[in-house]
Formats: sequence, structure tokens, C-alpha cells
Amino acid sequence: GAVVSQHPSRVICKSGTSVKIECRSLDFQATTMFWYRQFPKKSLMLMATSNEGSKATYEQGVEKDKFLINHASLTLSTLTVTSAHPEDSSFYICSARDVEGSYNEQFFGPGTRLTVL
Amino acid sequence: QKEVEQDPGPLSVPEGAIVSLNCTYSNSAFQYFMWYRQYSRKGPELLMYTYSSGNKEDGRFTAQVDKSSKYISLFIRDSQPSDSATYLCAMLEVAGQNFVFGPGTRLSVLP
Repeated sequence: GAVVSQHPSRVICKSGTSVKIECRSLDFQATTMFWYRQFPKKSLMLMATSNEGSKATYEQGVEKDKFLINHASLTLSTLTVTSAHPEDSSFYICSARDVEGSYNEQFFGPGTRLTVL
Repeated sequence: QKEVEQDPGPLSVPEGAIVSLNCTYSNSAFQYFMWYRQYSRKGPELLMYTYSSGNKEDGRFTAQVDKSSKYISLFIRDSQPSDSATYLCAMLEVAGQNFVFGPGTRLSVLP
């Protein structure tokens, strides 16, 4: 099946620093990628939809200036958490939509655990 | 009312039991129904998908969709400890739209 990777898998940073998370579709082209946030024992919360070559669409309540998303190629999207604070600590998961799929299937990355001290 | 609802569990069953996981939804326009399995601190992985109503079987897993009742189910036969995970249902109206996820059910299969 299609593979999506994320890097890093885990990051610990000091409050006030910026953290970049990469999401790559390894064996398919993804014109659309999604960024989710997940708190412990909670479901996925969609943060934004990223389309290659255009600006991301953010969900209500998600700060665009805090969570910068860049989708520069058909296989790479990045999420930058700017000036991170402890409340940004969470599990961030990306998914990529395989446009060749019959129902535009989404494949998920393994997630990135961010801890802000 | 939330768009997609699931019993959060945790659901604990003995090894070998038949497990029934369910989601209810309110949007009658949903046509695609997916089940994802998520192990702790990992990304979700697709288990099964169904288009419209009916049943679909894959090994020990069976997905059922009852659109008239707005109810979907995932059955796991001969459950194994390795099935212990959170199971998320997801739905969408038409291909290309964003998924709507249920909150997930935590399943524990005890050896």
C-alpha cells in the first residue's frame, strides 16, 4: 500500500522555538495533504488542508500564523509550529490523498510527538 | 448532535471473542465509510472501506453499513491481543471531500 512518512517522529523543544515537521508521500503523488492534531485518548482534529502550489485552508480556530503549512511539491508538505508553547504539545499526524484511488483514499503518516518544555 | 458518534470505550474482551464496533451518523449524504485502526502513538491505518450499503469481509474483519439506520459496524472474529488499538470510523459524502472521523473506540483484547 501507499506509504507516508513523517519526520521527525519525536521532538522536544524549548518554549519560544519553532519546529518544522515534514510529511512525505513515498510512492505516490499527493496533490492534497492534511494535517491533524490528536490529544491523548482523543480523536483526530483536522487542522488544515494543504494543496500543492497553493495556500493551505485552515479549519476554524486554527491560527494560520502559528501553524505554517507549505506544500511545495507533490510529495512533500511541511508544518511549522512557530514560537511553540507548552500548550502546543501534542501528536501531529499528516495524511496524503492518493488521487488515483477510487474514493480519494487518505494514507496517514506515523505521527510526530511534539513536547514543548 | 455530533456528526459521527462512537462509544469511546474502553472495550475489553477475552482473546478469541467476537468484537462489534459501531458508529452512528446524522448526515444521510455520507456514501463512503472507512474503518481505521490506530495503535498507541502511531498514525491510523486503513482497515476497510465500504461504498454505500452492504457488507464487506476481509479475513477476520467484516464491515457492515446500514444507511437506512445511519449505522455502521466493524466485526472482528477470533480477536487477538494484537487487535488491541483504537478503532476510528470515517465517512465522506463524495470522493475528494474531507473525511469526518468518529472519536474512536479503544479496544483491549486480553490474553
